[in-house]
Amino acid sequence: EDKVVQSPLSLVVHEGDTVTLNCSYEVTNFRSLLWYKQEKKAPTFLFMLTSSGIEKKSGRLSSILDKKELFSILNITATQTGDSAIYLCAVEAGAQKLVFGQGTRLTINP
Amino acid sequence: NAGVTQTPKFRVLKTGQSMTLLCAQDMNHEYMYWYRQDPGMGLRLIHYSVGEGTTAKGEVPDGYNVSRLKKQNFLLGLESAAPSQTSVYFCASRPFPGLGALRSTGELFFGEGSRLTVL
Repeated sequence: EDKVVQSPLSLVVHEGDTVTLNCSYEVTNFRSLLWYKQEKKAPTFLFMLTSSGIEKKSGRLSSILDKKELFSILNITATQTGDSAIYLCAVEAGAQKLVFGQGTRLTINP
Repeated sequence: NAGVTQTPKFRVLKTGQSMTLLCAQDMNHEYMYWYRQDPGMGLRLIHYSVGEGTTAKGEVPDGYNVSRLKKQNFLLGLESAAPSQTSVYFCASRPFPGLGALRSTGELFFGEGSRLTVL
């Protein structure tokens, strides 16, 4: 059974802190791992990772994949209140099946 | 550009009633997905489709049926609604991945969600 597990489930930090969100997976025929941010409505796309060790970066957000240890991390530096959201990790397992983790609820306090 | 459109956006049902959620996309995407999201949980895959006329079960398919008669539409049906099916339902689509330089980002395009309450 394909499984995606995120940790922590909830995190509260102060503005300016750096956070690291984790995503581990066990799937058949891994193809890619995707990160999404969900605020009020539908999730919005952040990154897609397919190769180990290559960091993807967008502003204060960055992510990396380790295909040997089967996990990915999402880093956010110099956090702002606008970063408060649920962060979702999804893994594409063979035949175009996309499985999501439970999400990490991140709260940034001013 | 409409993108992915879900109808209805809200619905209240009584236990045992049936209903259909419609997802329509105008981006000519091959793949379409139905997810449900419950409080404190991520998205759980109900059913998905890799092309017109094909469907496959996801993680939580029981109590739901789907059809993809036209490439742009993916219907999710509840034959006999139960309170456990109270949830927010998201439809999503994405294009064929392609190869090399034409490879898509893999991004899923989501609808705005449909909130279903079963009493």
